[in-house]
Amino acid sequence: KAGVTQTPRYLIKTRGQQVTLSCSPISGHRSVSWYQQTPGQGLQFLFEYFSETQRNKGNFPGRFSGRQFSNSRSEMNVSTLELGDSALYLCASSYSTGKGYTFGSGTRLTVV
Amino acid sequence: AQSVTQLDSQVPVFEEAPVELRCNYSSSVSVYLFWYVQYPNQGLQLLLKYLSGSTLVKGINGFEAEFNKSQTSFHLRKPSVHISDTAEYFCAVSRNTGNQFYFGTGTSLTVIP
Repeated sequence: KAGVTQTPRYLIKTRGQQVTLSCSPISGHRSVSWYQQTPGQGLQFLFEYFSETQRNKGNFPGRFSGRQFSNSRSEMNVSTLELGDSALYLCASSYSTGKGYTFGSGTRLTVV
Repeated sequence: AQSVTQLDSQVPVFEEAPVELRCNYSSSVSVYLFWYVQYPNQGLQLLLKYLSGSTLVKGINGFEAEFNKSQTSFHLRKPSVHISDTAEYFCAVSRNTGNQFYFGTGTSLTVIP
């Protein structure tokens, strides 16, 4: 079956702009989580959605938001981009709580 | 709160030699443990996981890990590495009541021909 699909793969934005990233989970997976990966901070949890509800949130400013649709697809949005938002954003889906994710290939966001 | 410590940031090893990547965790509750591998410009791929039962867990690509509750460790091992094993390896922990994962800082494994 198809894996976790993230679009786009690469993105270049200017400071102050906003960006929306998309994630389609594995069919049947209702939990979608987002992580930010940077060389300095490593993998940091952004948020998790389950059945269209945010179930858990990491320690990120309110500029980072997300949502999940009825078909489990998820989007995350970053407003007023800063240079420090440059990172690989990873989406992961799971069927059972806590028992392991399947990750997408990520979206590489570069803010200039 | 949970935390994960990967004791080695870089591990160079010769091809066909054995390797061990170390991982220690701290948690006040029961947890699940995982090892993921990341190749350049890719997402993370699950190597193996410990949920319960046998403390020796076998994963893909010939990797295995042993859960040691008394030492709160979950070290990853492979008896003979290949060039293709060169990648970043991440240890992770999750609570069995939630879906938030806590990742270690990663270990860069370089296999030398």
